[in-house]
Amino acid sequence: EDQVTQSPEALRLQEGESSSLNCSYTVSGLRGLFWYRQDPGKGPEFLFTLYSAGEEKEKERLKATLTKKESFLHITAPKPEDSATYLCAVQARGGATNKLIFGTGTLLAVQP
Amino acid sequence: NAGVTQTPKFRILKIGQSMTLQCAQDMNHNYMYWYRQDPGMGLKLIYYSVGAGITDKGEVPNGYNVSRSTTEDFPLRLELAAPSQTSVYFCASTGRVGDVTNEKLFFGSGTQLSVL
Repeated sequence: EDQVTQSPEALRLQEGESSSLNCSYTVSGLRGLFWYRQDPGKGPEFLFTLYSAGEEKEKERLKATLTKKESFLHITAPKPEDSATYLCAVQARGGATNKLIFGTGTLLAVQP
Repeated sequence: NAGVTQTPKFRILKIGQSMTLQCAQDMNHNYMYWYRQDPGMGLKLIYYSVGAGITDKGEVPNGYNVSRSTTEDFPLRLELAAPSQTSVYFCASTGRVGDVTNEKLFFGSGTQLSVL
């Protein structure tokens, strides 16, 4: 069964304290792995797509990496505005129409 | 562009009542989706549509119905509401399927539904 597990469930950082979020997945052939950011009371917002092991994507203080079993979202020198829930999702190869399997998310709080 | 618009934002239903959650997008996207999000659970796909007149079941379709008469609108119907349908519902759309490097979902801001 295709599955996505995110850890930790919650993470509290001081401003400027770098860290990483983990997304482990089991899927019958990975077509794509997606990272989304979700602010309270809002819908998820797209961050990155990764689709081959070794690939890296960067956006401001965020960098996403991918291996054959997991993805990491590295946050460098975070700011309070980076506080949000970060969702990971995978799409299996052969899956139709962009149906995604989502993890439960990591709630990140960055304190000033 | 407004993107994906969902109404209402909040709703309280009594057990057995019915309602329709509205979703509209102005990006001319063919693909539209309904997800529900429960505390401690990942987003679960309820129904999806690949174009006007074409819909299909997702992972958790029981108790819901959809229709897609236009490209813009994708309403979700709850018949005989049950407490298990208390959740936050998100509508999403995408215009590109086939090139995974350019696929991304655009989400609405959600409808918080309580069934009491």
